[in-house]
Parts: sequence; C-alpha cells; structure tokens
Amino acid sequence: EAQVTQNPRYLITVTGKKLTVTCSQNMNHEYMSWYRQDPGLGLRQIYYSMNVEVTDKGDVPEGYKVSRKEKRNFPLILESPSPNQTSLYFCASSLGDRGFSYEQYFGPGTRLTVT
Amino acid sequence: ILNVEQSPQSLHVQEGDSTNFTCSFPSSNFYALHWYRWETAKSPEALFVMTLNGDEKKKGRISATLNTKEGYSYLYIKGSQPEDSATYLCAPVNFGNEKLTFGTGTRLTIIP
Repeated sequence: EAQVTQNPRYLITVTGKKLTVTCSQNMNHEYMSWYRQDPGLGLRQIYYSMNVEVTDKGDVPEGYKVSRKEKRNFPLILESPSPNQTSLYFCASSLGDRGFSYEQYFGPGTRLTVT
Repeated sequence: ILNVEQSPQSLHVQEGDSTNFTCSFPSSNFYALHWYRWETAKSPEALFVMTLNGDEKKKGRISATLNTKEGYSYLYIKGSQPEDSATYLCAPVNFGNEKLTFGTGTRLTIIP
C-alpha cells in the first residue's frame, strides 16, 4: 500500500531533550516536506527536500533540523525542544522534485507536547 | 508568505443540500492551486490540483473552479452527505514562492 509513515504518533517530552520524528514513504517520491499545524493557523512548512541530499528551509525552520540521506526517509530533528514547538506535525511527499505541481500525500501526523 | 483567505471559516449544512465555499489568493505570479480534505483525527487528502484559468475539476459530488485573473477558487459539494463533514483546505502556489501556502480552512459540518 502506498503510504507515508511517521513515528512516533504521540510524544510527550521535556524542554531540551533532543528528539527525532521519523518519516518514510514507499512511493519513490522525490519531494518530501514537514509541516506543523497550530490552532487558528494554516499548515506551515518547516523544511522541504527536492531530492536526496537537497534540503531547504520553509516558512518556520527555527529550532528544527532535517536530513535526506535516502530517498524514502526524511527525519525531523529537534535538537533542544521548547514548549513553543508543541504542535501537530505532518510529513508529506509528492512526485517530482518541485512538489508543488502534484498532490501531496500526508503522513498520519505526530502530536508533540513539550513541557 | 502568500495571503490566503478561506470563507466562511465554518459552515453547517443540512444533509442533502448543496454548498460551496471560497478560497482567495493573490493573482499575480500564479502557478497552481491545491484543494485538500481533512477529516478529524486523520491526515489531509488531496482533492484537486488546478493550474489553468477557467479550469473546472470534479470528483464524485465535489467540484472546483478556478479564476486565476481575480484570484479565487470555489469548491462545490452537491447533495451533502454526513461523510463530507471535514475541513477543506486550499493552498495556492506562486512563481517565486514555490511552495504551498495553506489557508486556515473551511470547517464543514453536515447535519443529518
């Protein structure tokens, strides 16, 4: 089944404790992206990747890191999480290296709480 | 960051009625417009990706139109069913800002 998977789905952590949210897709998509969803705001892009070893900042990249060592995986790293990073996070993938020309496939989401 | 407005913010519709809502976006440097359907406790799912002025796309009872010159798109749902209850998101893309900018959505509730 074609899908985007994220782990963990739920995470409660403390300020400053490094964490990684994994994202994997099995559709051989070039483009992958991370979004966060906060109440009253639209989905906001954190980082995106047009292909392996190619990543770039989205609209809200501060406090996050990403890597794209393999085509299928695009982990999101919070080196020192803070309470303002409490949010619902989505990973997405898309055909083509531009991503915006084709529909995006979203993962199930990761609800992160930082205390 | 593009200014994207969706209206209304929320909408209650009787089962069987038809409805529509709007996505407004800057018309300059337009490239594409995405529509997504987001059910509670699930993840957004793509409905349409539209690029041409005057384009109309249809998927079952849901259709969308696009006016790139004036910067708006309409989403129509014909004969609403309870399973249509969801938040509908639009996301325009412009040249020079080549990523999706999501609106805050229209939350649709179908009353049985």
